[in-house]
Amino acid sequence: GAGVSQSPRYKVAKRGQDVALRCDPISGHVSLFWYQQALGQGPEFLTYFQNEAQLDKSGLPSDRFFAERPEGSVSTLKIQRTQQEDSAVYLCATPLSGTATGELFFGEGSRLTVL
Amino acid sequence: AQKVTQAQTEISVVEKEDVTLDCVYETRDTTYYLFWYKQPPSGELVFLIRRNSFDEQNEISGRYSWNFQKSTSSFNFTITASQVVDSAVYFCALSVEYNNNDMRFGAGTRLTVKP
Repeated sequence: GAGVSQSPRYKVAKRGQDVALRCDPISGHVSLFWYQQALGQGPEFLTYFQNEAQLDKSGLPSDRFFAERPEGSVSTLKIQRTQQEDSAVYLCATPLSGTATGELFFGEGSRLTVL
Repeated sequence: AQKVTQAQTEISVVEKEDVTLDCVYETRDTTYYLFWYKQPPSGELVFLIRRNSFDEQNEISGRYSWNFQKSTSSFNFTITASQVVDSAVYFCALSVEYNNNDMRFGAGTRLTVKP
């Protein structure tokens, strides 16, 4: 596609529910990042893929967070047993250069609210 | 470890005023990259500029200018003759060559330009 597309744009979940957030990256961009942006804060790194390989997941806050990109294109971020502290905007980004040393193209994000 | 500090949480100006957004960074790496991103109300972060650590030349792009000073570890952003459409949250970010999956963002500065 022309840009990074994320869905759903808004998700309200009851505490304890599982959620899945989707990222459809720019066609041809092999790398993909997930960021978490809490209210009033800057984005924080969660995980990084190169094609289907998850090369870095050091930013995932707990084992309830899981990301996949099985065919090296669309990626899904799954949060199990959601907690209130998971409420944030989840951003997906793809770099033109393949790494975070160059421009990142961001999606509009998925805003998750956990009640 | 890398760190970006944006000390100004919110700035409010009247249209046509000039405004400078401050960014101070910390890194022990000699090769690094600095960025500014704009986040309008729609939520999508938009790339504005990238500078590498070896290029301290200041840059001007229309009403935007950037002042990179390694001596003070600062990368400040000035908007000249601000307009209402400049209202957004602006983020400064840093990535380093040796760990090029990790882009660190500041907490952002919310700029409001009043007519």
